[in-house]
Amino acid sequence: DGGITQSPKYLFRKEGQNVTLSCEQNLNHDAMYWYRQDPGQGLRLIYYSQIVNDFQKGDIAEGYSVSREKKESFPLTVTSAQKNPTAFYLCASRGGRGGNQPQHFGDGTRLSIL
Amino acid sequence: QKEVEQDPGPLSVPEGAIVSLNCTYSNSAFQYFMWYRQYSRKGPELLMYTYSSGNKEDGRFTAQVDKSSKYISLFIRDSQPSDSATYLCAMVIIQGAQKLVFGQGTRLTINP
Repeated sequence: DGGITQSPKYLFRKEGQNVTLSCEQNLNHDAMYWYRQDPGQGLRLIYYSQIVNDFQKGDIAEGYSVSREKKESFPLTVTSAQKNPTAFYLCASRGGRGGNQPQHFGDGTRLSIL
Repeated sequence: QKEVEQDPGPLSVPEGAIVSLNCTYSNSAFQYFMWYRQYSRKGPELLMYTYSSGNKEDGRFTAQVDKSSKYISLFIRDSQPSDSATYLCAMVIIQGAQKLVFGQGTRLTINP
């Protein structure tokens, strides 16, 4: 089945530790996105990538890093510089050349602090 | 002022009722409008996608856009307990890349 797979489903981080969240898609989509969702809030954009080897900061990029070495993969690293990392992290992808195709989401990774 | 305002609820209605969910926005540059449904501990799934003023219907769901008032709505007819979820509106702006601006979501419960 085509889709977006995020792993792990739950992740725990110790103080001072970097953790990496995985996002893989087999939809052959060019664009991929990372969002953060806090309780009772909408989604906020962390980073996005429109093509392999290129990515751009979103609205809340501080304390996060990404890479896009393969079309199907867009991992997110939550660094120790992110002081409030507890949240639900969502990855999305979008196909098509124009800007009017909708984004489709994975089922998220819930990150908590130990 | 937030670019997108959405009443977080919670909203609780009996089964079979018509549900109305609403968002207002301030940025007239938004070009497309979406509604996503999100079940607990899951990612959002796309429900409706519109780009012009007027109504778009898909089964029990109707999306309404009024660009002059900067107001969008989602109506659910014959609501079912399985419709219980958080509903997120999202506005699309294209500035070199597509960006979504989300409302905070409305938590909806349909009571049997």
